Amino acid sequence: DVKVTQSSRYLVKRTGEKVFLECVQDMDHENMFWYRQDPGLGLRLIYFSYDVKMKEKGDIPEGYSVSREKKERFSLILESASTNQTSMYLCASSLRRPQAFFGQGTRLTVV
Amino acid sequence: GQNIDQPTEMTATEGAIVQINCTYQTSGFNGLFWYQQHAGEAPTFLSYNVLDGLEEKGRFSSFLSRSKGYSYLLLKELQMKDSASYLCAVIKAAGNKLTFGGGTRVLVKP
Repeated sequence: DVKVTQSSRYLVKRTGEKVFLECVQDMDHENMFWYRQDPGLGLRLIYFSYDVKMKEKGDIPEGYSVSREKKERFSLILESASTNQTSMYLCASSLRRPQAFFGQGTRLTVV
Repeated sequence: GQNIDQPTEMTATEGAIVQINCTYQTSGFNGLFWYQQHAGEAPTFLSYNVLDGLEEKGRFSSFLSRSKGYSYLLLKELQMKDSASYLCAVIKAAGNKLTFGGGTRVLVKP
């Protein structure tokens, strides 16, 4: 069975904190993605990676960075969390074929 | 860029049929996905259309017209468990990233 695991389901952080969201997949997928999901806006792509140590900006990368040191792990970093980054964050992975498999999501609240 | 439009919300009765439309404008096209997402859960894959026509999978069918930039997801014999959001997503010819529409929330009533 395909498995994409995000480290936390719920997270509460303070404004200005550095936040790490971790995602691990066990399917040997090359491609990994980070989305955020907000009511009325759907899923928006933050960053994606085609391979280890490779990363590309998505549609809304500002305020975020990513790290992919190992093929199975893709981390999303909020350097200095702000309240407008309160959202549901979804990680996904895929092979060369474009079907993406999603993690269960992390609901982040920045206070 | 890409614009993907789908209705925000639809309501239907148990046992009925509902059709969720999705229109898109994209500079390149390499397929269209439909995902189902229950509240608080991850999106799960429903269908993938890359050629024109209808793909049927049990109670769910998906249609694509590339010339019109149009797709629909048809849900037949609606069940209460079909209450969920349905996400339309397009993949461009170059690259593997999906771009999503805002999602359609379907409410099935008894």
